[in-house]
Amino acid sequence: QSVLTQPPSVSGAPGQRVTISCTGSSSNIGAGYDVHWYQQLPGTAPKLLIYGNYNRPSGVPDRFSGSKSGTSASLAITGLQSEDEADYYCQSYDSSLRGVIFGGGTKLTVL
Amino acid sequence: EVQLVESGGGLVQPGGSLRLSCAASGFTFSSYAMTWVRQAPGKGLEWVSAISGSGGSIYYADSVKGRFTISRDNSKNTLSLQMNSLRAEDTAAYYCAKDMYSSADDAFDMWGQGTMVTVSA
Repeated sequence: QSVLTQPPSVSGAPGQRVTISCTGSSSNIGAGYDVHWYQQLPGTAPKLLIYGNYNRPSGVPDRFSGSKSGTSASLAITGLQSEDEADYYCQSYDSSLRGVIFGGGTKLTVL
Repeated sequence: EVQLVESGGGLVQPGGSLRLSCAASGFTFSSYAMTWVRQAPGKGLEWVSAISGSGGSIYYADSVKGRFTISRDNSKNTLSLQMNSLRAEDTAAYYCAKDMYSSADDAFDMWGQGTMVTVSA
């Protein structure tokens, strides 16, 4: 059971918009700690997708965007493409656990 | 080009030991905290341990505290993870990752390709 809760799976057709939620608590996201998002393509290492809640590293398309409100954060992907099919993880810090925490991951399927 | 290359994984019996290494290049290694993250087969990501740029601050997940030891050699641009008293539940791909900035809620902006550790009799 992950401290950050993500839906196990989401899906969408090419060109559509999908969102992935990441729900935490007052000791992590709600405490003001940043949320980051990673994309993990099959058989590869995770790749930083969004940092500091809404910032995109160089090279990440603007189809990917992040937001944060209260004890939750969200990743939105617009203009879905087949190459977006991957697992997505949110990450933050928890002051009670005194450590980095990850969401359980969400598998995105492009129909 | 920033690059992280892990090595040292393999098959080990329960109770055994293994030492993982991560060779870093393309950035000023001593200026950044470094982290180990693992992923059990078919499962999600789990933070394992982190070390500050100087090596003076070290953190562990409760699941590995007292069994794993993180260290770094800034003269050789190398990060290490000494794993003792290994258990079946330690079976995972182990990734080293570079911290983006030095804060508790840091992002990891570069990851190695991972090295597989299998604990089995």
